[in-house]
Amino acid sequence: GQQLNQSPQSMFIQEGEDVSMNCTSSSIFNTWLWYKQDPGEGPVLLIALYKAGELTSNGRLTAQFGITRKDSFLNISASIPSDVGIYFCAGAGSYQLTFGKGTKLSVIP
Amino acid sequence: DTGVSQDPRHKITKRGQNVTFRCDPISEHNRLYWYRQTLGQGPEFLTYFQNEAQLEKSRLLSDRFSAERPKGSFSTLEIQRTEQGDSAMYLCASIFTGTSGRSDYNEQFFGPGTRLTVL
Repeated sequence: GQQLNQSPQSMFIQEGEDVSMNCTSSSIFNTWLWYKQDPGEGPVLLIALYKAGELTSNGRLTAQFGITRKDSFLNISASIPSDVGIYFCAGAGSYQLTFGKGTKLSVIP
Repeated sequence: DTGVSQDPRHKITKRGQNVTFRCDPISEHNRLYWYRQTLGQGPEFLTYFQNEAQLEKSRLLSDRFSAERPKGSFSTLEIQRTEQGDSAMYLCASIFTGTSGRSDYNEQFFGPGTRLTVL
C-alpha cells in the first residue's frame, strides 16, 4: 500500500528558531495536507495544498506541494512554545487520507 | 473545537467485552470517516460513509468491527469481543462533498477521538 515517509521523526529546537520538516511518497497525490496533533486530541488541519508547486502560508507556517506531486514540506518560522506537538503530513487519495508517522516537535523556552 | 464530537473520550474495558463509540460530525457534512491511531503512528483509515451508505472498508476492519450511520448523521463504531490489540485511539472525521459525491477539497475535520484501552 501507499506509504508516506516523514522526517525527521523528532526535533528539539530553541524558541525563536525556524523549523523544517518534509514528507515523501512512493505514489502521486493530488492533495497534500498538514495536520498538528496535541496529546489526547484529534489532528487539526493547518494547511491544504492542491496544485503541484503551490506554496501556501498560514501565519508563521509555510508549506509547499512538490512539483513531482510525491513530496511536500512544512516550515515553521520563529517557533513558540505552543508549537509543541506532533505534525503529520497526509496525502489525499480518491476518498481517504494516508498519513505519515509524524514529526514530534519540542520547543525549549 | 472542530465541530466534530466523539463519545466517550476514554474507554477502558476487559478483553472479550463489546464496546461502542459514537461520532457526531459537523451537521452539514455528508461524508464521515473512521480512523484508528496507535502509539507512534499516524491515523489509519478504517471505513467511510457517504450519507448513510458505507462505501469502503479497510482490511484493518475485521469482522469483529461494525460501523453504522443509520440516518446519515451520527455514526457508531462497535467492536465485539475486544482484544488487547484493539487498544488505540479511534478518530472520526467529516467532510462535505457535492451531490456527485466528489470532493474538490479533502480537508477532513477530525474529532477529539476515543481512547480505548483493553485490559
